Amino acid sequence: QVQLVESGGGLVKPGGSLRLSCVASGFTFSDYYMSWIRQAPGKGLEWVSYISSSSTYTNYADSVKGRFTISRDNAKNSLYLQMNSLRAEDTAVYYCARTQADGYYFDYWGQGTLVTVSS
Amino acid sequence: QSALTQPASVSGSPGQSITISCTGTSSDVGGYNYVSWYQQHPGKAPKLMIYDVTNRPSGVSNRFSGSKSGNTASLTISGLQAEDEAAYYCSSYTSSSTLGVFGGGTKLTVL
Repeated sequence: QVQLVESGGGLVKPGGSLRLSCVASGFTFSDYYMSWIRQAPGKGLEWVSYISSSSTYTNYADSVKGRFTISRDNAKNSLYLQMNSLRAEDTAVYYCARTQADGYYFDYWGQGTLVTVSS
Repeated sequence: QSALTQPASVSGSPGQSITISCTGTSSDVGGYNYVSWYQQHPGKAPKLMIYDVTNRPSGVSNRFSGSKSGNTASLTISGLQAEDEAAYYCSSYTSSSTLGVFGGGTKLTVL
């Protein structure tokens, strides 16, 4: 069965950096687009970034452009999100999700990892 | 402010039907058949319930259905059950952004 397991969240000071990881299993990882989606405490969902199956295409929300970098290692079935210059408003649960590029929807989600940006 | 507008809350009694609306523009909901719906229970990850406006993934109950008229998409849940109590989010492709957009979410209460 499809599984996505995120890790790497934690408490970081404003201006700091963090790298999130997501390990996939149960499907051919290299065939699919992947995304990071976040949810601030008590708030709705925000699509943060996506990456194409072979890393050719990436896109970012305006709120994170220039600060976050998405990447993947298909040999390791892994997705990453490098987050720099973190701000308090980046505090959220970050989900990785398998993304259907022909319909812009997310058919499998991880359990999420909490990132807290606070001094 | 979310790009897609959903009611903050809806409620219904067991066995009843409810509909959650998701209003956008011709640049997103109205212009493309790329609307999806997600169910999220407290403390859990979202789960895909509907994709491409009307399609149900394998394993999702046929009590859930999707539709669209103009710039508004709708999720209908028939035969309400206690386990349907959750937050529901719509999402759509948009030509206004390089990424898709979500609605603000609707909290469904089963009375």
